[in-house]
Amino acid sequence: LAKITQPISMDSYEGQEVNITCSHNNIATNDYITWYQQFPSQGPRFIIQGYKTKVTNEVASLFIPADRKSSTLSLPRVSLSDTAVYYCLVAYGSSNTGKLIFGQGTTLQVKP
Amino acid sequence: KAGVTQTPRYLIKTRGQQVTLSCSPISGHRSVSWYQQTPGQGLQFLFEYFSETQRNKGNFPGRFSGRQFSNSRSEMNVSTLELGDSALYLCASSVGTATYEQYFGPGTRLTVT
Repeated sequence: LAKITQPISMDSYEGQEVNITCSHNNIATNDYITWYQQFPSQGPRFIIQGYKTKVTNEVASLFIPADRKSSTLSLPRVSLSDTAVYYCLVAYGSSNTGKLIFGQGTTLQVKP
Repeated sequence: KAGVTQTPRYLIKTRGQQVTLSCSPISGHRSVSWYQQTPGQGLQFLFEYFSETQRNKGNFPGRFSGRQFSNSRSEMNVSTLELGDSALYLCASSVGTATYEQYFGPGTRLTVT
């Protein structure tokens, strides 16, 4: 049974790097891992996606170790506006019909 | 480019009634997925439609159904509403299947009394 776990909450200060780890069992070679950010009263917003090694875009990096049982979202130099809930999503069975499973979300509080 | 739109934004229904929610995806997106969000269960996948075909379905009872039209617009229906169906229902669209980058709408807040 697929299960995804994330820390419930994290605190950080402005300017620091924040790393949020998601644990996902039974993940297959081509199953994608996607991270979303959600603010109150809004739908989730795409941050980054990958399925192996490291992916980087203008706002974040995603690290996936060789065993792929976890992944880490890295937010460099966070600001107050990064205070939000962050969700890890795994598309199990991406090569065929996939079950899309979200983690419970990590509430990130950025302090001044 | 217009984002994903959902109507209505808020809805109050009585137990036993049925409800239909609508989603208009971003132009050019062929995949529409639906999610239920509640404080207790978090974000849960309902189903995905791609080119008018249901591609995948989450673990929800048959009271939850959906469809997609030729213009990619989608509707979801919940019959025989229960109090536990009160939730934020989110629609997301993507260019390809839902394994790709999804764009979410603002959601429909359904309250069942």
